[in-house]
Amino acid sequence: AQRVTQPEKLLSVFKGAPVELKCNYSYSGSPELFWYVQYSRQRLQLLLRHISRESIKGFTADLNKGETSFHLKKPFAQEEDSAMYYCALTKDSSYKLIFGSGTRLLVRP
Amino acid sequence: DTGVSQDPRHKITKRGQNVTFRCDPISEHNRLYWYRQTLGQGPEFLTYFQNEAQLEKSRLLSDRFSAERPKGSFSTLEIQRTEQGDSAMYLCASSLDLIGTEAFFGQGTRLTVV
Repeated sequence: AQRVTQPEKLLSVFKGAPVELKCNYSYSGSPELFWYVQYSRQRLQLLLRHISRESIKGFTADLNKGETSFHLKKPFAQEEDSAMYYCALTKDSSYKLIFGSGTRLLVRP
Repeated sequence: DTGVSQDPRHKITKRGQNVTFRCDPISEHNRLYWYRQTLGQGPEFLTYFQNEAQLEKSRLLSDRFSAERPKGSFSTLEIQRTEQGDSAMYLCASSLDLIGTEAFFGQGTRLTVV
């Protein structure tokens, strides 16, 4: 079955430290991978998708098919990055999202 | 606000009552999705529509749940004979019918069954 695993419930770092939020997936085909973010009191929104290979707010994520991972990275965390981060995949033409359980990132001053 | 809107934002109901939630998607989006999110978990897919056609339903969607999208515009999600286990955040999302497309989420309806 398709599954997205985010092993860390909480990741706490100091401002300016590097950040890596882990995401592993299990799917035998070629899924589309996404990172969604939810800031406090805001709706869930797209941060980035692997298909566009973009960097958003300093975040990047590389799809590693060999390790079935899509880790989210940022070299220097900012306090405004504090939020819930969800890794998700879609696998077929339904484009429904299969989410991980999320990681709360807390960036301390 | 031209985003996805959901109503109500909060609903408290007694066990056994019926509830209905509404979702208004972004107007040009032909795809509409319902998800459920419980504490400490990511959103879980419930069902989706392409225009007015309901194309897939999750096994999470018991017979007490029904969703409609008349005329391919807004959608409703009804839960009959609510149970305490139905307490959750119900999220609606809409998107275009494109690979890698972004799903835009509403703020959700938080249901509490007492």
